Amino acid sequence: DVKVTQSSRYLVKRTGEKVFLECVQDMDHENMFWYRQDPGLGLRLIYFSYDVKMKEKGDIPEGYSVSREKKERFSLILESASTNQTSMYLCASQGTSGSYEQYFGPGTRLTVT
Amino acid sequence: ILNVEQSPQSLHVQEGDSTNFTCSFPSSNFYALHWYRWETAKSPEALFVMTLNGDEKKKGRISATLNTKEGYSYLYIKGSQPEDSATYLCASPNQAGTALIFGKGTTLSVSS
Repeated sequence: DVKVTQSSRYLVKRTGEKVFLECVQDMDHENMFWYRQDPGLGLRLIYFSYDVKMKEKGDIPEGYSVSREKKERFSLILESASTNQTSMYLCASQGTSGSYEQYFGPGTRLTVT
Repeated sequence: ILNVEQSPQSLHVQEGDSTNFTCSFPSSNFYALHWYRWETAKSPEALFVMTLNGDEKKKGRISATLNTKEGYSYLYIKGSQPEDSATYLCASPNQAGTALIFGKGTTLSVSS
């Protein structure tokens, strides 16, 4: 089974802190994604990566950056956390053959106070 | 941005009821339609990936149909059970084919 893990289930940070959210997948997938989920807005794509050291902006990249130094790991960085970044963050991975379904991690509930 | 719309936003049914919800998407340049189930405190899990017009897929009591010409897909649940309570998401690839665009989901609550 594909396994996607995220470093924390719950995280509380203060405004202005630098925040790292880590995601690791064990299926050698090329593509990895970061989403945030907010009530009434659904899943919105922040950034994605289709290879090591490659990244593409999604629909809402402002205030975020990403890092992919190894194929299995994709990190989301909030350079200076703000209260409007309080949200549920989901990581996903996807292979480049077959059904192209995405496999999700359990999510990180981030609260910025 | 490609728009994927889902309706209704939420639904409450009694155990044993059958129910269905809708996903609509632009029919031009169609590639695939994904359905996911997201239970509380769990990760979203893929239910179906559909690519062919007229396709119908089934997993237990859950089935889905696809109409690519008119741009909609239906998800059906027969004889709903409390364990079917979840948010059901549909998604379609963006124009570049590099990422999925998700609808806002339909949240189903099944009472026993």
